[in-house]
Amino acid sequence: AQKVTQAQTEISVVEKEDVTLDCVYETRDTTYYLFWYKQPPSGELVFLIRRNSFDEQNEISGRYSWNFQKSTSSFNFTITASQVVDSAVYFCALSEPPRNAGNMLTFGGGTRLMVKP
Amino acid sequence: NAGVTQTPKFRILKIGQSMTLQCAQDMNHNYMYWYRQDPGMGLKLIYYSVGAGITDKGEVPNGYNVSRSTTEDFPLRLELAAPSQTSVYFCASSYEGHLREGYTFGSGTRLTVV
Repeated sequence: AQKVTQAQTEISVVEKEDVTLDCVYETRDTTYYLFWYKQPPSGELVFLIRRNSFDEQNEISGRYSWNFQKSTSSFNFTITASQVVDSAVYFCALSEPPRNAGNMLTFGGGTRLMVKP
Repeated sequence: NAGVTQTPKFRILKIGQSMTLQCAQDMNHNYMYWYRQDPGMGLKLIYYSVGAGITDKGEVPNGYNVSRSTTEDFPLRLELAAPSQTSVYFCASSYEGHLREGYTFGSGTRLTVV
């Protein structure tokens, strides 16, 4: 069975600090996808990134970067120079390969990030 | 495009009442999903559908039913509401076989059972 663990339930930083959100996953599949979603206080879920299991290159998008390490089954998310607008709950999620069962996502419990001015 | 539309946005139910949460998407996605998010928790899959006429249970299906008569609509039915069903419900859809941009989520329905 798939499992996603986000051990940090809540993180508080001061604006401009860098912050890393941890994500550890478990799966028996060799092909899978990993995701990060942002849930701001307004409640909607915003897609941030998708990474497949064959691509271990790190990715950077502006102030956001992701570190995928298969050896440790981790997919960590770093925000550089955090801003108040980054305050949100962040979810890591894992998807099994497309099968008859569909592309179901298994979500971690989320990390609430609070960025203080 | 509207994406995924959920109605209502908020609802208060009394114990034992029934209701249907509506979900519609206009992206011609074959796959649709219902998740619930309990306070301070991640999302758990209730039911999913891989196409019109096909539905299956997810992780937490008890107390719910779904139907998928068209590609666009995937309503979630609560029979005999219980306080344990107090949650935020998210409907989502995805393109068959691909998750390049993850799911497209609706804005959620906040349900309180009293």
